[in-house]
Amino acid sequence: AQSVAQPEDQVNVAEGNPLTVKCTYSVSGNPYLFWYVQYPNRGLQFLLKYITGDNLVKGSYGFEAEFNKSQTSFHLKKPSALVSDSALYFCAVREMDSSYKLIFGSGTRLLVRP
Amino acid sequence: DADVTQTPRNRITKTGKRIMLECSQTKGHDRMYWYRQDPGLGLRLIYYSFDVKDINKGEISDGYSVSRQAQAKFSLSLESAIPNQTALYFCATSDYTGTGAYYGYTFGSGTRLTVV
Repeated sequence: AQSVAQPEDQVNVAEGNPLTVKCTYSVSGNPYLFWYVQYPNRGLQFLLKYITGDNLVKGSYGFEAEFNKSQTSFHLKKPSALVSDSALYFCAVREMDSSYKLIFGSGTRLLVRP
Repeated sequence: DADVTQTPRNRITKTGKRIMLECSQTKGHDRMYWYRQDPGLGLRLIYYSFDVKDINKGEISDGYSVSRQAQAKFSLSLESAIPNQTALYFCATSDYTGTGAYYGYTFGSGTRLTVV
């Protein structure tokens, strides 16, 4: 079965510094990977996805993610964090069977301090 | 209007009561999903549906039932609510092209359910 792991419950970073939110995956075959963000009292918002192609994927709000097959990782990154980036971030992988359901990690709370 | 609309946004109910959460979509997607979010556990799948005649259980379907009334509507019911069903519930739809060139998921804004 497919799975993803987010090893950090919380990441703290100062505004203006680069940020990384980690995600590792376990799949059979080629993975379809996603990042979502959840702001307080809001639904899930799509940030970016990796299906195939370039290992560096660019997404919304200045975020990007690097797909690393040898390390089975898909870390979310941003060169310069904003206080407004503070939110809950989820990594997800698409199930390979016909359900196409998303399997989510446990989430990482990002706190950007001024 | 939102592409995926969930009602109600918030609900407090008593133990043992029956409650229905509703989801409607304007995306025209065939696949619809109900997820539950709990702190530290991420989102877990309750049920999913390919079309009105195809309903499937997810990993945590016990205590829940669903109804796909039409392509655009997918309802989640708690027949007899219990406190550990207190959670944030999300409905989602997915899009798939035959070439597999694009995979899109759209989530509703969520329903915060509290069972007291």
